[in-house]
Amino acid sequence: GAVVSQHPSWVICKSGTSVKIECRSLDFQATTMFWYRQFPKQSLMLMATSNEGSKATYEQGVEKDKFLINHASLTLSTLTVTSAHPEDSSFYICSAKRLAGSSYNEQFFGPGTRLTVL
Amino acid sequence: AQKITQTQPGMFVQEKEAVTLDCTYDTSDQSYGLFWYKQPSSGEMIFLIYQGSYDEQNATEGRYSLNFQKARKSANLVISASQLGDSAMYFCAMREGNQGGKLIFGQGTELSVKP
Repeated sequence: GAVVSQHPSWVICKSGTSVKIECRSLDFQATTMFWYRQFPKQSLMLMATSNEGSKATYEQGVEKDKFLINHASLTLSTLTVTSAHPEDSSFYICSAKRLAGSSYNEQFFGPGTRLTVL
Repeated sequence: AQKITQTQPGMFVQEKEAVTLDCTYDTSDQSYGLFWYKQPSSGEMIFLIYQGSYDEQNATEGRYSLNFQKARKSANLVISASQLGDSAMYFCAMREGNQGGKLIFGQGTELSVKP
């Protein structure tokens, strides 16, 4: 159990367009989802924390108007990169925190989405 | 200041030998958790092992063990009997007690297992 999916797994878009990435918890409910960005050969950097039914909390330096996050249900969070530019090209990974259960390993990662902006 | 530090950008190990990947952390919280993840070239994050700050014994999971030295604030990962499939990036991460579950990651160590 505890499977998280992301869609799409990769996307190529033109500069100036918007791209939506979905993160779904398939077999559990997630109170909180996290969005990370990872540049090649670098670490995962937390972008924002998404709580169902409330506004996302963004990390310092992350533009909330550029990276729109919506957590509409306990199983779905979306990240929209608005007016994408080549510097937004990166690997975006989400993780979901399980609503119930006492397992310490309560955060499960999606497979990631590779975004390339031309 | 870096909260999680991995000082080894790259490591080589001979197949079947053991290897230690270093991780030090910095926190003022009494309650925190330390994680190790493996990230192969496919990009997925694979959970390996967890150590809670109050756990008195070092965590073990199969070939993985965590050498937890609380006073030194280190949480090194030991992989025994390395296999070719262990070649990947390895990340140490910390979850602080009052931060809503978010993880802070170290810079990562790229492990290459030689046949």
